[in-house]
Amino acid sequence: DTAVSQTPKYLVTQMGNDKSIKCEQNLGHDTMYWYKQDSKKFLKIMFSYNNKELIINETVPNRFSPKSPDKAHLNLHINSLELGDSAVYFCASSLTQLRDRLYFGPGTRLTVL
Amino acid sequence: RKEVEQDPGPFNVPEGATVAFNCTYSNSASQSFFWYRQDCRKEPKLLMSVYSSGNEDGRFTAQLNRASQYISLLIRDSKLSDSATYLCVVNPARQLTFGSGTQLTVLP
Repeated sequence: DTAVSQTPKYLVTQMGNDKSIKCEQNLGHDTMYWYKQDSKKFLKIMFSYNNKELIINETVPNRFSPKSPDKAHLNLHINSLELGDSAVYFCASSLTQLRDRLYFGPGTRLTVL
Repeated sequence: RKEVEQDPGPFNVPEGATVAFNCTYSNSASQSFFWYRQDCRKEPKLLMSVYSSGNEDGRFTAQLNRASQYISLLIRDSKLSDSATYLCVVNPARQLTFGSGTQLTVLP
Protein backbone atom coordinates (compact mmCIF):
# COMPACT_ATOMS: atom_id res chain seq x y z
CA ASP A 1 0.00 0.00 0.00
CA THR A 2 1.28 3.46 -0.90
CA ALA A 3 1.62 5.60 2.22
CA VAL A 4 1.54 9.03 0.53
CA SER A 5 0.24 9.23 -3.01
CA GLN A 6 0.04 12.14 -5.42
CA THR A 7 -1.60 12.64 -8.78
CA PRO A 8 -0.66 13.34 -11.43
CA LYS A 9 2.97 12.28 -11.54
CA TYR A 10 3.69 14.48 -14.55
CA LEU A 11 1.92 17.66 -15.59
CA VAL A 12 2.77 19.62 -18.73
CA THR A 13 0.71 22.71 -19.38
CA GLN A 14 0.71 26.12 -21.01
CA MET A 15 1.36 29.39 -19.25
CA GLY A 16 -1.80 30.97 -17.90
CA ASN A 17 -3.63 27.69 -17.29
CA ASP A 18 -5.04 26.56 -13.94
CA LYS A 19 -4.12 23.12 -12.61
CA SER A 20 -4.54 21.00 -9.48
CA ILE A 21 -2.41 18.37 -7.78
CA LYS A 22 -3.97 15.91 -5.36
CA CYS A 23 -2.40 14.21 -2.37
CA GLU A 24 -3.63 11.49 -0.05
CA GLN A 25 -2.02 9.74 2.91
CA ASN A 26 -3.21 6.52 4.52
CA LEU A 27 -0.89 6.68 7.54
CA GLY A 28 -3.37 8.32 9.88
CA HIS A 29 -1.07 11.33 10.25
CA ASP A 30 -2.35 14.67 11.51
CA THR A 31 -0.07 16.95 9.48
CA MET A 32 0.42 17.33 5.75
CA TYR A 33 2.70 19.54 3.70
CA TRP A 34 3.47 20.82 0.24
CA TYR A 35 7.13 21.25 -0.68
CA LYS A 36 8.57 22.67 -3.89
CA GLN A 37 11.88 21.44 -5.31
CA ASP A 38 13.31 23.70 -7.97
CA SER A 39 15.89 22.99 -10.67
CA LYS A 40 18.71 23.51 -8.16
CA LYS A 41 17.23 20.71 -6.05
CA PHE A 42 16.49 23.02 -3.12
CA LEU A 43 13.49 21.69 -1.20
CA LYS A 44 11.36 24.47 0.26
CA ILE A 45 8.18 24.26 2.30
CA MET A 46 5.12 25.99 0.89
CA PHE A 47 2.23 25.05 3.18
CA SER A 48 1.43 22.89 6.15
CA TYR A 49 -1.94 21.73 7.46
CA ASN A 50 -2.66 20.14 10.80
CA ASN A 51 -6.02 18.43 11.09
CA LYS A 52 -7.36 20.43 8.14
CA GLU A 53 -6.15 23.71 9.62
CA LEU A 54 -3.53 25.82 7.82
CA ILE A 55 -0.56 26.27 10.15
CA ILE A 56 2.26 27.26 7.83
CA ASN A 57 1.95 29.50 4.82
CA GLU A 58 5.36 30.53 3.60
CA THR A 59 5.90 33.33 1.14
CA VAL A 60 4.06 31.80 -1.77
CA PRO A 61 2.17 33.73 -4.46
CA ASN A 62 -1.57 33.73 -3.81
CA ARG A 63 -2.01 31.95 -7.15
CA PHE A 64 -1.26 28.85 -5.06
CA SER A 65 -4.18 27.73 -2.93
CA PRO A 66 -4.07 24.60 -0.79
CA LYS A 67 -7.22 22.83 0.31
CA SER A 68 -7.62 20.11 2.90
CA PRO A 69 -11.07 18.50 2.79
CA ASP A 70 -10.06 16.08 5.57
CA LYS A 71 -6.85 15.25 7.37
CA ALA A 72 -5.96 12.51 4.89
CA HIS A 73 -6.07 14.80 1.85
CA LEU A 74 -4.25 17.96 0.87
CA ASN A 75 -4.69 19.35 -2.62
CA LEU A 76 -2.87 22.19 -4.32
CA HIS A 77 -4.53 24.40 -6.90
CA ILE A 78 -2.44 26.74 -8.99
CA ASN A 79 -3.99 29.59 -10.98
CA SER A 80 -2.47 31.42 -13.95
CA LEU A 81 0.59 29.21 -14.20
CA GLU A 82 3.91 30.90 -14.93
CA LEU A 83 7.17 29.56 -16.35
CA GLY A 84 8.81 29.91 -12.93
CA ASP A 85 6.30 27.49 -11.44
CA SER A 86 8.05 24.62 -13.23
CA ALA A 87 9.40 22.37 -10.48
CA VAL A 88 8.74 19.13 -8.66
CA TYR A 89 6.03 19.45 -6.03
CA PHE A 90 6.17 16.98 -3.16
CA CYS A 91 3.38 16.26 -0.76
CA ALA A 92 4.43 14.94 2.66
CA SER A 93 2.88 13.96 5.95
CA SER A 94 4.02 13.54 9.53
CA LEU A 95 2.43 12.07 12.63
CA THR A 96 2.17 15.45 14.32
CA GLN A 97 3.43 18.95 13.57
CA LEU A 98 6.12 18.66 16.19
CA ARG A 99 9.44 17.70 14.63
CA ASP A 100 8.38 14.26 13.41
CA ARG A 101 9.93 12.60 10.40
CA LEU A 102 8.34 13.30 7.05
CA TYR A 103 6.93 10.75 4.64
CA PHE A 104 6.99 12.05 1.08
CA GLY A 105 4.82 11.28 -1.88
CA PRO A 106 6.49 10.44 -5.20
CA GLY A 107 6.29 14.01 -6.46
CA THR A 108 4.53 15.80 -9.30
CA ARG A 109 6.83 17.10 -12.02
CA LEU A 110 5.22 20.28 -13.35
CA THR A 111 6.43 21.79 -16.59
CA VAL A 112 4.97 25.09 -17.73
CA LEU A 113 5.53 25.90 -21.40
CA ARG B 1 23.31 33.07 6.59
CA LYS B 2 21.17 30.16 5.45
CA GLU B 3 19.39 28.19 8.16
CA VAL B 4 20.93 24.93 7.00
CA GLU B 5 24.07 24.74 4.87
CA GLN B 6 25.70 21.79 3.18
CA ASP B 7 28.63 21.35 0.83
CA PRO B 8 26.87 20.53 -2.47
CA GLY B 9 29.72 18.34 -3.70
CA PRO B 10 29.78 16.38 -5.85
CA PHE B 11 31.72 13.79 -3.94
CA ASN B 12 33.05 11.06 -6.23
CA VAL B 13 34.53 8.17 -4.26
CA PRO B 14 35.59 4.62 -5.14
CA GLU B 15 33.70 1.63 -3.82
CA GLY B 16 34.83 0.72 -0.34
CA ALA B 17 35.87 4.25 0.57
CA THR B 18 34.81 6.11 3.67
CA VAL B 19 33.15 9.47 3.07
CA ALA B 20 31.88 12.12 5.46
CA PHE B 21 29.46 15.00 5.00
CA ASN B 22 28.95 17.95 7.29
CA CYS B 23 26.01 20.25 7.67
CA THR B 24 25.83 23.47 9.69
CA TYR B 25 22.71 25.08 11.10
CA SER B 26 22.17 28.61 12.33
CA ASN B 27 19.43 28.31 14.97
CA SER B 28 20.87 27.11 18.27
CA ALA B 29 17.35 26.29 19.50
CA SER B 30 16.98 23.51 16.91
CA GLN B 31 15.86 20.26 18.48
CA SER B 32 15.46 17.67 15.75
CA PHE B 33 18.03 16.56 13.21
CA PHE B 34 17.82 14.08 10.37
CA TRP B 35 19.61 12.83 7.31
CA TYR B 36 17.44 12.09 4.29
CA ARG B 37 18.51 10.42 1.09
CA GLN B 38 17.13 11.37 -2.32
CA ASP B 39 17.74 9.26 -5.40
CA CYS B 40 17.59 10.86 -8.83
CA ARG B 41 14.01 11.82 -9.74
CA LYS B 42 12.63 10.25 -6.56
CA GLU B 43 11.24 11.54 -3.30
CA PRO B 44 13.43 12.09 -0.23
CA LYS B 45 13.42 9.24 2.27
CA LEU B 46 14.59 9.19 5.85
CA LEU B 47 18.05 7.69 6.21
CA MET B 48 18.46 8.23 9.93
CA SER B 49 17.66 10.53 12.79
CA VAL B 50 20.57 12.19 14.58
CA TYR B 51 20.71 11.92 18.35
CA SER B 52 22.73 13.99 20.79
CA SER B 53 24.99 11.10 21.72
CA GLY B 54 25.58 10.10 18.10
CA ASN B 55 24.14 6.99 16.52
CA GLU B 56 25.04 4.28 14.11
CA ASP B 57 23.04 2.22 11.66
CA GLY B 58 25.18 -0.37 9.91
CA ARG B 59 27.71 1.46 7.77
CA PHE B 60 26.21 4.86 8.59
CA THR B 61 27.16 6.98 11.59
CA ALA B 62 25.55 10.30 12.47
CA GLN B 63 26.95 12.83 14.92
CA LEU B 64 25.63 16.05 16.41
CA ASN B 65 27.83 18.84 17.71
CA ARG B 66 25.58 21.39 19.41
CA ALA B 67 28.44 23.66 20.47
CA SER B 68 29.58 24.16 16.89
CA GLN B 69 26.09 23.72 15.45
CA TYR B 70 26.78 21.03 12.93
CA ILE B 71 25.77 17.48 12.18
CA SER B 72 27.75 14.94 10.24
CA LEU B 73 27.16 11.72 8.35
CA LEU B 74 29.87 9.12 7.90
CA ILE B 75 29.49 6.32 5.38
CA ARG B 76 31.93 3.43 5.65
CA ASP B 77 32.67 0.84 2.97
CA SER B 78 30.75 2.77 0.30
CA LYS B 79 28.58 0.77 -2.09
CA LEU B 80 27.49 1.70 -5.59
CA SER B 81 23.94 1.83 -4.24
CA ASP B 82 24.92 4.65 -1.87
CA SER B 83 25.06 7.03 -4.85
CA ALA B 84 22.41 9.64 -4.12
CA THR B 85 21.92 13.13 -2.75
CA TYR B 86 22.07 13.36 1.03
CA LEU B 87 19.91 16.03 2.62
CA CYS B 88 20.54 17.46 6.04
CA VAL B 89 17.30 18.35 7.84
CA VAL B 90 16.95 20.51 10.92
CA ASN B 91 13.97 21.74 12.89
CA PRO B 92 14.72 25.37 13.77
CA ALA B 93 11.11 26.47 14.21
CA ARG B 94 7.71 25.03 13.41
CA GLN B 95 8.79 22.95 10.45
CA LEU B 96 11.69 20.92 9.18
CA THR B 97 14.17 22.87 7.06
CA PHE B 98 16.16 21.10 4.39
CA GLY B 99 19.71 21.75 3.29
CA SER B 100 20.37 21.90 -0.43
CA GLY B 101 21.91 18.43 -0.39
CA THR B 102 25.29 16.83 -1.00
CA GLN B 103 25.64 14.69 -4.09
CA LEU B 104 27.54 11.44 -3.71
CA THR B 105 28.65 9.19 -6.55
CA VAL B 106 30.32 5.90 -5.68
CA LEU B 107 32.46 4.69 -8.55
CA PRO B 108 33.23 1.04 -9.39
